[in-house]
Amino acid sequence: EDKVVQSPLSLVVHEGDTVTLNCSYEVTNFRSLLWYKQEKKAPTFLFMLTSSGIEKKSGRLSSILDKKELFSILNITATQTGDSAIYLCAVEASTGNQFYFGTGTSLTVIP
Amino acid sequence: GAVVSQHPSRVICKSGTSVKIECRSLDFQATTMFWYRQFPKQSLMLMATSNEGSKATYEQGVEKDKFLINHASLTLSTLTVTSAHPEDSSFYICSAREEPNSPLHFGNGTRLTVT
Repeated sequence: EDKVVQSPLSLVVHEGDTVTLNCSYEVTNFRSLLWYKQEKKAPTFLFMLTSSGIEKKSGRLSSILDKKELFSILNITATQTGDSAIYLCAVEASTGNQFYFGTGTSLTVIP
Repeated sequence: GAVVSQHPSRVICKSGTSVKIECRSLDFQATTMFWYRQFPKQSLMLMATSNEGSKATYEQGVEKDKFLINHASLTLSTLTVTSAHPEDSSFYICSAREEPNSPLHFGNGTRLTVT
C-alpha cells in the first residue's frame, strides 16, 4: 500500500531555533515529492523535488530528497512565529495525477 | 504564478439543502482539478478527480450522487453537495495544476457548516 509518513506529528520551538521535518514514503512509481505549508486556509506550495541530493532553497527554508532511502527533509532555520503552520508532504506517482499526502507536521514557534 | 480561486470561502446551510462550491484556475487552463476534504487535524482526503469534458473519477467511499462534480470548462470545476447533512460539515479544498509535471496549487478552501 502506498503511503507517506511525516514526523514528528507536532513540534513546539522557540523563535530562532532550527527545525527539521521528516517525510518518508513508500510509493510505487515515484515521480516527485512536494512540500506545502498550510496555515488557516489551503496549502501553499513550497518545494517540488524530483532528484536525489539536490537541495532546494528559499530564504530560511530548504529541502532535500533521498530517493534511495525514500525520504525527504524540510529545514527551517532561524524560525519565526510566522512559520507556525502545518507542513504537508505529498508524493506523486508517475501513473499520473495520483498524489499521496502525509498527515502533516504541526509546527508552533513561540516568541 | 498559478492561482486557483475557490468560492465561497465559508457557507452555512440548513440540512437538506444543496451547496455549490466553485473552483477556478485564474491564469492557466486546467484539464484536471482535484477535490479534497479535510477534517480537523487530519490531512487532505482526495474525494474525486475532475476531468474537463468528462465524468469525474471518484475515490472509493465517496458518493457520486451526493457530491456532484462538473468540469464544464478548462478553468472551472464545481462541487455540489446535495441534500447536505451535518456530517457533511467539513473543509473542502480544490486544486489544479498547469501541466503534468508542475505542482498542485490549491484554492483557499470552503468551510461548510450544515445546521
